[in-house]
Amino acid sequence: QVQLQESGPGLVKPSQTLSLTCTVSGGSITYGGYYWDWIRQHPGKGLEWIGSIYHSGSTYYNPSLDSRVTLSVDTSKNQFSLKLSSVTAADTAVYYCGRGAYGYNAIDYWGQGTLVSVSS
Amino acid sequence: DIQMTQSPSSLSASVGDRVTITCRASQSIGNYVSWYQQKPGKAPKLLIYAASSLQPGVPSRFSGSGSGIDFTLTISGLQPEDFATYYCQQSHSVPGLTFGGGTKVEIK
Repeated sequence: QVQLQESGPGLVKPSQTLSLTCTVSGGSITYGGYYWDWIRQHPGKGLEWIGSIYHSGSTYYNPSLDSRVTLSVDTSKNQFSLKLSSVTAADTAVYYCGRGAYGYNAIDYWGQGTLVSVSS
Repeated sequence: DIQMTQSPSSLSASVGDRVTITCRASQSIGNYVSWYQQKPGKAPKLLIYAASSLQPGVPSRFSGSGSGIDFTLTISGLQPEDFATYYCQQSHSVPGLTFGGGTKVEIK
């Protein structure tokens, strides 16, 4: 059973960089055919795709966040990570990591989500 | 960017009802649609992928249909555990994703 777990600070100051890591267990992140995704959800709102990374390191970003997002993967630790720079209060959200499958990037496994607040 | 317009934004229904939720894409996207269920404080759960393929372990009362622009999620025989918010998602430019605005299914 694949499991994903987000980790990182729950509070970030404005203008700083938000950093989160997703640890994958129950399966190798290097298995082909899967995307590794970051999704966020603003309080009481809908879902927003942040970006995806393939085990090879190929990255794909939401154009609205492209200039501030960096995704990376550490296959030795079976982890992938998100960095979002120059954060503002508008970046306060629950951040989820997930595994995209079936060639459709249908997210079949999700982390539990972690709330990141941006405040001084 | 491809937009997904989901309707209705909310609905009230009774246990046993047949419920239909629709999503309309801003351009043709083939069958690159997935559907998710989300309960308060929980991560979304994949129900349907490729517009009509049922995710293993999901009850057969959930079904998806459509291709091109218009897509539908149907719950045949609403159960108490189905009261939740449902989202469609398009991935035509895979892996890029956009989600519909959500439909909250409430108890009548």
